[in-house]
Amino acid sequence: NAGVTQTPKFQVLKTGQSMTLQCAQDMNHNSMYWYRQDPGMGLRLIYYSASEGTTDKGEVPNGYNVSRLNKREFSLRLESAAPSQTSVYFCASSEAQANQPQHFGDGTRLSIL
Amino acid sequence: ELKVEQNPLFLSMQEGKNYTIYCNYSTTSDRLYWYRQDPGKSLESLFVLLSNGAVKQEGRLMASLDTKARLSTLHITAAVHDLSATYFCAVENTDKLIFGTGTRLQVFP
Repeated sequence: NAGVTQTPKFQVLKTGQSMTLQCAQDMNHNSMYWYRQDPGMGLRLIYYSASEGTTDKGEVPNGYNVSRLNKREFSLRLESAAPSQTSVYFCASSEAQANQPQHFGDGTRLSIL
Repeated sequence: ELKVEQNPLFLSMQEGKNYTIYCNYSTTSDRLYWYRQDPGKSLESLFVLLSNGAVKQEGRLMASLDTKARLSTLHITAAVHDLSATYFCAVENTDKLIFGTGTRLQVFP
């Protein structure tokens, strides 16, 4: 009953370091999403992937890249981390049909010093 | 650009009381979702509202959608401490969700 699994759960980086956040889902969902959550701002979409092989920008894509490795996995990369990217990152997945909710992972808490 | 506003942002209420959280959005959409988030945890889906006039209930929570007014409400009946959490509405727009800023609910004895 894993659902959406994110790794790592916590990470501290120095400014300028790079890192990849991993996300995998076992529900055979076509769509996958990356969000960031900052205090008082709700969740904001960074990138999403409607199906294997496709990715699109969300509201706040600058400073990030993504890879939809296969149907199960969707990774988020910070090439050169900045303190403004300190946040909690959530991965989510959903069925292709529009009437299904997104299922969220437990989040990655990322601090950039 | 679709904007989603929730109010209140913070709600402190006594056990046994009723209250309503409001979610307004700025452009046409027929699909709205409510989620719950406990501190330090992930988001849990509560309700999926798919059409004008949709009403769904689960326990002490009831959600409704008025697409003409671009308004959804989450009504809490006879609140209990276990309902303390942050509640988010999210509106679907071209296969993406736009989230409100959340309503932090605290229920005290």
